[in-house]
Amino acid sequence: DIQMTQSPSAMSASVGDRVTITCRASQDISTNLAWFQQKPGKVPKRLIYAASTLQSGVPSRFSGSGSGTEFTLTISSLQPEDFATYYCLQHHSYPLTFGGGTKVEIK
Amino acid sequence: EVQVLESGGGLVQPGGSLRLSCEASGFTFSNSAMTWVRQAPGKGLEWVSSISSSGSSSYYADSVKGRFTMSRDNSKNTVYLQMNSLRAEDTAMYYCVKDLGASYWGQGTLVTVSS
Repeated sequence: DIQMTQSPSAMSASVGDRVTITCRASQDISTNLAWFQQKPGKVPKRLIYAASTLQSGVPSRFSGSGSGTEFTLTISSLQPEDFATYYCLQHHSYPLTFGGGTKVEIK
Repeated sequence: EVQVLESGGGLVQPGGSLRLSCEASGFTFSNSAMTWVRQAPGKGLEWVSSISSSGSSSYYADSVKGRFTMSRDNSKNTVYLQMNSLRAEDTAMYYCVKDLGASYWGQGTLVTVSS
């Protein structure tokens, strides 16, 4: 099984900060990775697919990069509405696996 | 517009059964794999099961293998999750999701396993 190690598990940041979240896969998953945002009590929303393709309608301050085993989600300038929990998902092989999540809180 | 609508959740006793349904619209259903993802209260996301576009292949997390069965009816644009031998740890919000890459999510249906 492929393990997805997401870091950090939580972070505090200020509006305007650049935020970087990392997911490491235990084996090569090519670019079969997506990133999701979930706000409390809400349904997860896909931000990025194929590791670096921005989902339609998602602000351009979100970007994804990486391939193989290391992946990054970057928020270039954190906005108030970006405080949420973020997850990665590998869909390269079964069982599909999510990262443990990163909670981005207000500093 | 892509829409995914789950139903069938509720309160069930340990050892009981429940069948979730998910009706989809707004895309060519028979061309799309479908997936169930769950989230226990206060916890992260967990992949449960996926099914191929034709329904010929289905895949399960170890935590539900042998107890849950995913199926689909392409004539009704619907997927199902038959859940047997339910345990307290199956308590979660269950989301029906389009594709393996989880492009679109339903609003979820809550399953509570408790005596």
